[in-house]
Amino acid sequence: QLQLQESGPGLVKPSETLSLSCSVSGASVASYYWGWIRQSPEKGLEWIGHITQSGTTSYKESLKRRVSISVDTSKNHFSLDLHSVTAADTAVYFCGKLWSGSSSGVPYFDVWGQGTQVTVSS
Amino acid sequence: DIQMTQSPSSLSASVGDRVTITCQASQDIDDYLNWYQQKPGKAPKLLIYSTSNLEAGVPSRFSGGGFGTEFTFTITSLQPEDFATYYCQQFADLPLTFGGGTRVDFK
Repeated sequence: QLQLQESGPGLVKPSETLSLSCSVSGASVASYYWGWIRQSPEKGLEWIGHITQSGTTSYKESLKRRVSISVDTSKNHFSLDLHSVTAADTAVYFCGKLWSGSSSGVPYFDVWGQGTQVTVSS
Repeated sequence: DIQMTQSPSSLSASVGDRVTITCQASQDIDDYLNWYQQKPGKAPKLLIYSTSNLEAGVPSRFSGGGFGTEFTFTITSLQPEDFATYYCQQFADLPLTFGGGTRVDFK
């Protein structure tokens, strides 16, 4: 049974970097696509980006200059870094596995972690 | 970006009721639409993929339909465990985008 668990600081100061990790159990990170979504009352559910088995990344255009997703196969986890955060980045962050075989060719989330609240405040 | 508009944003219903939610896409997305269920404090759960296909283990009281820009999600006989928020999401193109959600609560 695939399980995902987010971890990282719950409070980040403005202008600093938000760094989250997603630990994967029940599957190898080398075998699937992985990504991140966030949820806030203001913006609802918002796709941040994802990474393929080959390491190719796709990011939301408005976050592209600040975001990075990477995979660590030795630890069987993947990570999110979001730089220069502001209060607008306050949200619950979910990691997830993506199904890469969709009929459209665009992958979508089929398994999610429980989510972790991140607040940006001084 | 493809905009997804759900209605209603909330509804009140009783156990046994038939519930229908609609989702409209800002452009043609073929049948590239999923439905997720989210309970408070929990992760969204994929219920239906590609408009009408039930994910493994999802009860048959859930169904979906539509094509192009207009889609529906139906629960034929609402059960106590179905009180939750439901989201549509398109995967016709990146960025993946979601509807605003429909909260289903007790009447």
